[in-house]
Amino acid sequence: GAVVSQHPSRVICKSGTSVKIECRSLDFQATTMFWYRQFPKQSLMLMATSNEGSKATYEQGVEKDKFLINHASLTLSTLTVTSAHPEDSSFYICSARDGRQGSYNEQFFGPGTRLTVL
Amino acid sequence: AQSVTQPDIHITVSEGASLELRCNYSYGATPYLFWYVQSPGQGLQLLLKYFSGDTLVQGIKGFEAEFKRSQSSFNLRKPSVHWSDAAEYFCAVAPNQAGTALIFGKGTTLSVSS
Repeated sequence: GAVVSQHPSRVICKSGTSVKIECRSLDFQATTMFWYRQFPKQSLMLMATSNEGSKATYEQGVEKDKFLINHASLTLSTLTVTSAHPEDSSFYICSARDGRQGSYNEQFFGPGTRLTVL
Repeated sequence: AQSVTQPDIHITVSEGASLELRCNYSYGATPYLFWYVQSPGQGLQLLLKYFSGDTLVQGIKGFEAEFKRSQSSFNLRKPSVHWSDAAEYFCAVAPNQAGTALIFGKGTTLSVSS
């Protein structure tokens, strides 16, 4: 149980285009999903926290107009990188928290999406 | 603010030797503690976690970690390393409240020599 998927796993796009990344919890309802970004050889940095049915909360320095997050259902959150540029190239990882867990804060991670902007 | 420190950026261990990866955290109360492993180009795999109770936690792949409150540490250990253990290891903490994100250390790269 507790499987999180991401789609696509890898995407290459031209500069100026928009890319949508999906994060799905396959066997549980995720009241909260998190989006992280990882540059090569570096750690994961939290970009935003999204709660189902409400606006995402972005970390300082993350442009909300550039990284659009939608958490429209309890099993799906999407991250759209708008007008992507080469500096947006990165590994994007989502995680989901099982809402049934109560106070426990365990999160389950997706396999990540490698975005390359040419 | 919470923070996680992994003092060792890169460690090389001979195959069959023991391993200890260090992790120190900064948090006012006892946080939830995690160790993840990441192979190149892959996502994160949870090795083990500590929420409460026994301070020695057993995980997958023969790993264990010990929570030491007095030292604010959660070091990862393995008695005998295999070549397949070469990867990036991340320690992470989360405040013991619902709905908060994990805070990751910078990671330790483990190389295994034959």
